[in-house]
Amino acid sequence: EDQVTQSPEALRLQEGESSSLNCSYTVSGLRGLFWYRQDPGKGPEFLFTLYSAGEEKEKERLKATLTKKESFLHITAPKPEDSATYLCAVPADNNDMRFGAGTRLTVKP
Amino acid sequence: KAGVTQTPRYLIKTRGQQVTLSCSPISGHRSVSWYQQTPGQGLQFLFEYFSETQRNKGNFPGRFSGRQFSNSRSEMNVSTLELGDSALYLCASSGSGREASPLHFGNGTRLTVT
Repeated sequence: EDQVTQSPEALRLQEGESSSLNCSYTVSGLRGLFWYRQDPGKGPEFLFTLYSAGEEKEKERLKATLTKKESFLHITAPKPEDSATYLCAVPADNNDMRFGAGTRLTVKP
Repeated sequence: KAGVTQTPRYLIKTRGQQVTLSCSPISGHRSVSWYQQTPGQGLQFLFEYFSETQRNKGNFPGRFSGRQFSNSRSEMNVSTLELGDSALYLCASSGSGREASPLHFGNGTRLTVT
């Protein structure tokens, strides 16, 4: 069965302290891996799509990378406004999006 | 371009009642999906509509149903509400056909069942 596992569940960083979030997946035939950011009381906001191993995407302080079994979301010199829950997702066999449980990131000033 | 709009934002209902939630997708998007989000189960897929046809369905009881109109707007209905139906219901639209493409979410409807 298609599965997505994210770690850690929660991460607390000081402003400027870089780190990485992990998303491991098991899916037959990857058709894309998606990263989203969700703020409290809001819907997830699309960040990146990665389609093949070795691919990288960047946006401001965020960089997403993909291997054959996992993806990383690297956060460089984070700011308090980067605090949010980060979700990754993969399309399942019937084309619905299978989401991980998310990593709740808190960045302290 | 306007984003995905969901109404209402908040709902409080009593067990046994039914509820209808509404979603207006991004203009030009023909696919609309619905997800339930709870602290314990995370985001779970309910169903997807494309051109007024239900294309996929998740593992939810028949009390959960939906439909899509010719203008791509969608509604979902939950009948005989149970306490466990309390959740954030999210609608998402995408512009592509069958290939996986990014979902664009609304801010959800927070349903509380008492």
